[in-house]
Amino acid sequence: LAKTTQPISMDSYEGQEVNITCSHNNIATNDYITWYQQFPSQGPRFIIQGYKTKVTNEVASLFIPADRKSSTLSLPRVSLSDTAVYYCLVGSYGGATNKLIFGTGTLLAVQP
Amino acid sequence: KAGVTQTPRYLIKTRGQQVTLSCSPISGHRSVSWYQQTPGQGLQFLFEYFSETQRNKGNFPGRFSGRQFSNSRSEMNVSTLELGDSALYLCASRADRDEQFFGPGTRLTVL
Repeated sequence: LAKTTQPISMDSYEGQEVNITCSHNNIATNDYITWYQQFPSQGPRFIIQGYKTKVTNEVASLFIPADRKSSTLSLPRVSLSDTAVYYCLVGSYGGATNKLIFGTGTLLAVQP
Repeated sequence: KAGVTQTPRYLIKTRGQQVTLSCSPISGHRSVSWYQQTPGQGLQFLFEYFSETQRNKGNFPGRFSGRQFSNSRSEMNVSTLELGDSALYLCASRADRDEQFFGPGTRLTVL
C-alpha cells in the first residue's frame, strides 16, 4: 500500500487560500487519493477524493498531476473553523483491498 | 440518514480487564472497519468486516478481536487490557466502492 508524506503542520490566516501537498510516490494504478479532516476527539470526515487531474466540490479542490505521485488539497478562504488535522490517503476501494493507512496528517492552524 | 454510531462514548477500565465496543453503521453499509488512534501512533487500522466476515486485518495482537452481525452492526473486543490500549477507537462504515464514514469514536482509558 502506498505511503504518504505530508507536512506536519501549516499556519494560515482567515480568508487565505491554503494548499496542502501530499507525496505518494508508490501509488498503484487502481489507487484513489482521498483527503479527510479531523477535529479533536472526533472521527475523520471525508473531504474529497480523486483519481487524476482536478476534482472540486463545495468545500475543496484536489489537484493531481499526470504522474499521480503527489496531490494538493486546496481550501479556499479558510476560516477559524478549518483548524484541524488533514489526512491524505491512497488506496483502492472495494474488494479485499480496503485497508486505509493514515499518515501523520497535517495540522492546519488558522489564525484571525 | 443517521450516521455511524458508537457506544459507549467513554469508558474507563483497569489493566487486565476486557472491554467490548459497539458500532452501528450507516443503514445499508455492509463494511465496517475499526481504527485505533493514539497521540504517539496516530490512526492505525485494526480490521475490516464485510458481510459478517473479517476481510482485512492490521498489525495488532490477538487480544484485539471483532465480529459483525447479520444486521452489519459490529463489536470490537480487547482482552487483558494494557495501559497502552488507552486510545480513541474509531469505527467507519462504507457502501462498497465508496468513501468511509467515521463515527465519533469511543474514548477508552486504561488505569
